[in-house]
Amino acid sequence: GESVGLHLPTLSVQEGDNSIINCAYSNSASDYFIWYKQESGKGPQFIIDIRSNMDKRQGQRVTVLLNKTVKHLSLQIAATQPGDSAVYFCAENTHGSNDYKLSFGAGTTVTVRA
Amino acid sequence: GAVVSQHPSRVICKSGTSVKIECRSLDFQATTMFWYRQFPKKSLMLMATSNEGSKATYEQGVEKDKFLINHASLTLSTLTVTSAHPEDSSFYICSARGLAGGDNEQFFGPGTRLTVL
Repeated sequence: GESVGLHLPTLSVQEGDNSIINCAYSNSASDYFIWYKQESGKGPQFIIDIRSNMDKRQGQRVTVLLNKTVKHLSLQIAATQPGDSAVYFCAENTHGSNDYKLSFGAGTTVTVRA
Repeated sequence: GAVVSQHPSRVICKSGTSVKIECRSLDFQATTMFWYRQFPKKSLMLMATSNEGSKATYEQGVEKDKFLINHASLTLSTLTVTSAHPEDSSFYICSARGLAGGDNEQFFGPGTRLTVL
């Protein structure tokens, strides 16, 4: 079964507000995590990643937080825009497994209200 | 940089026919390519991992004789769905890992929508 999952399948947010998308993982050996954005009919688009030796990483309008104690990952999007409407997936990888395979969570559909 | 393309983007075929999907890394050499399948409103499920010049490694439950994977060069991998049936209708996505990114980084293609009538 999937080792990565998401708490909420959908999220509706008002344009301009901040969004928080959560993800739980179960493999304590995972040491690399990525957030992807997927628009309808397209492939996943890399947003931001974080390694297990960090607990926070910031990008442009996005922040990823990693809590290894409770195996929880979150993506924060600041000032959400209509173009942020998409499905967001977290994915994990275990370094040292030599296969570089990613395991994807179930996904959260984000809808931005105008 | 690090662009991955897929061809075709959409294909409709009759039941029983075979369909080939190409995945290309356009500006880097892909040492490893991955094939995923995604059903509507579902997550990506890894089907197989292919390394250039060697046989693909299939995930549990994926029929290797039905989903033939060839990774003949560092820029091209192909997935052939043999004797396709309506239940094979899905969104097929490839990704590539190579020298363009870090150890774990994968670059995804735009996907191929397969519809089997």
